[in-house]
Amino acid sequence: DAGVIQSPRHEVTEMGQEVTLRCKPISGHDYLFWYRQTMMRGLELLIYFNNNVPIDDSGMPEDRFSAKMPNASFSTLKIQPSEPRDSAVYFCASSLRQGGINTEAFFGQGTRLTVV
Amino acid sequence: GENVEQHPSTLSVQEGDSAVIKCTYSDSASNYFPWYKQELGKRPQLIIDIRSNVGEKKDQRIAVTLNKTAKHFSLHITETQPEDSAVYFCAAPPGGILTGGGNKLTFGTGTQLKVEL
Repeated sequence: DAGVIQSPRHEVTEMGQEVTLRCKPISGHDYLFWYRQTMMRGLELLIYFNNNVPIDDSGMPEDRFSAKMPNASFSTLKIQPSEPRDSAVYFCASSLRQGGINTEAFFGQGTRLTVV
Repeated sequence: GENVEQHPSTLSVQEGDSAVIKCTYSDSASNYFPWYKQELGKRPQLIIDIRSNVGEKKDQRIAVTLNKTAKHFSLHITETQPEDSAVYFCAAPPGGILTGGGNKLTFGTGTQLKVEL
């Protein structure tokens, strides 16, 4: 498996524009996470899915952020409209929980978003 | 939810010395404690993890210790090398099956480790 794949790697957009980040988890993993990383706030969990169903979106900053997982191999994180304070690195991660046992979360390479 | 605190925020050691990073967690039911290493501009990657049924785990130059009573766990790196320079994150999930926390991780704020020649 090629690991967790995110696209694009870099995104520069103007304030007010819609931004869509994409993620393909590792095949067979049943959990998918979206994290945001900034110098000020570190790694923050935005939302996570279990078997394509959103479980906890309490980390989503505001209504401008939305995430979907239409199937087991694809997820999107959308920001509309984008603002300069959304500039960060966004990581997608996936993992497998077997028999109630937590296992390693594998991270994608991240999308560096810059909103100007 | 889980609260994870990590110290120190920066750590500078001489090559060959040991480095220790400490974390505390709040959820007494947490049962899995991974450590991630993130090199500059790269993704976090797991370097070692420990489960609540053991007190220590070692993998070559790195080891993790867990004190469930005190709710803290530590990363130990011995014989540090320049390539150990990176940011290290501890993490913990909400505890156990019954809490329904699933596999999500709360990360510490990170420790910037610098190994100087």
